[in-house]
Amino acid sequence: DAMVIQNPRYQVTQFGKPVTLSCSQTLNHNVMYWYQQKSSQAPKLLFHYYDKDFNNEADTPDNFQSRRPNTSFCFLDIRSPGLGDAAMYLCATSSGTAEKLFFGSGTQLSVL
Amino acid sequence: GENVEQHPSTLSVQEGDSAVIKCTYSDSASNYFPWYKQELGKGPQLIIDIRSNVGEKKDQRIAVTLNKTAKHFSLHITETQPEDSAVYFCAASVAGGSYIPTFGRGTSLIVHP
Repeated sequence: DAMVIQNPRYQVTQFGKPVTLSCSQTLNHNVMYWYQQKSSQAPKLLFHYYDKDFNNEADTPDNFQSRRPNTSFCFLDIRSPGLGDAAMYLCATSSGTAEKLFFGSGTQLSVL
Repeated sequence: GENVEQHPSTLSVQEGDSAVIKCTYSDSASNYFPWYKQELGKGPQLIIDIRSNVGEKKDQRIAVTLNKTAKHFSLHITETQPEDSAVYFCAASVAGGSYIPTFGRGTSLIVHP
């Protein structure tokens, strides 16, 4: 009965090779978020969608892009991964009227 | 913008002891304060939350207290068990506002059997 599903669970890519992470939700929530989390740190917001409205955090590198083709799915594209992009990537949702976030299990990205 | 400070960064207790994690926030407009538990290799999960019109909330062994005047809130875990070992994050946001929470830096709780 997973509500926020992230695939894959682990992703290994090569330096500079584009990679796409995916997230789907069964909650029909308006808001979807992408967070980057490095070891022993708090999740760092990269961007979020309220429905189709895209909101980019000011310090999110241009190397990171996102797509939300419909309510249920959201993708994170890393155009040219660098070693510093190795991290756990978390997708989360919220209803927009309630404040609690529902997180997926994350995708652990390794860059070789 | 909002700033959330969380202490301690690491907390080690013996099984059965109580654990307390404290957070302070800066924006007096914040009125929703969730706590998330993140187990190793998993995403954070909400364990308890409190709104600014309430001073305390309990759910079995966990409780959260809020002092609006001092702008701080705390997570209390009683009778700790090894499965409570995880990283705990506090957060603050404005309900009905930007729906973007500000997270604390996290507390790694270790419960020794």
